Amino acid sequence: DAGITQSPRYKITETGRQVTLMCHQTWSHSYMFWYRQDLGHGLRLIYYSAAADITDKGEVPDGYVVSRSKTENFPLTLESATRSQTSVYFCASRGGEKLFFGSGTQLSVL
Amino acid sequence: AQSVTQLDSQVPVFEEAPVELRCNYSSSVSVYLFWYVQYPNQGLQLLLKYLSGSTLVKGINGFEAEFNKSQTSFHLRKPSVHISDTAEYFCAVSDSGGYQKVTFGTGTKLQVIP
Repeated sequence: DAGITQSPRYKITETGRQVTLMCHQTWSHSYMFWYRQDLGHGLRLIYYSAAADITDKGEVPDGYVVSRSKTENFPLTLESATRSQTSVYFCASRGGEKLFFGSGTQLSVL
Repeated sequence: AQSVTQLDSQVPVFEEAPVELRCNYSSSVSVYLFWYVQYPNQGLQLLLKYLSGSTLVKGINGFEAEFNKSQTSFHLRKPSVHISDTAEYFCAVSDSGGYQKVTFGTGTKLQVIP
């Protein structure tokens, strides 16, 4: 099916562990984004990518790493998870001026 | 840099009543403005957008918004809400050039009361 998919849907991990959240889109959109959603903060941009092998920091990049070796995939890695990274993570791709969002990954860091 | 302010975190309204969700933005350059809606346990989806032209824009599900440059506002309105409109609504702004990074407000939860 066409669209943007995120996996896993839910993830529980422990502090200090490395976690990778996956994002895959089928439209071949150039731009992709990672946001985190927290109560009282709305959505905040973590990283974005304009094309394969081109990535840049957003508003809250510390503690996160991204890569984009293929246009359709944009994984987000938490190198050493902390409790403050407990959040809902959304991946999005841009088609024209419109953002298309995945269903999100709910991450809990214990 | 650009920013978005949604002053109302929650708005309760009775079914079939009108509603207005407020949004103010700040930017030093020309902007595009958006409203996105998030239903429970889902990602966001575009409700409507203002790029240029007519300041009154109509979106899906009977919503509309008016761009007011002098007041730097982009308030969302619906003349008669339905139970199914219960959701969280996000106002967003992006610059009209470059990467078009989108900055979101903190969201307004619309609760429609039967």
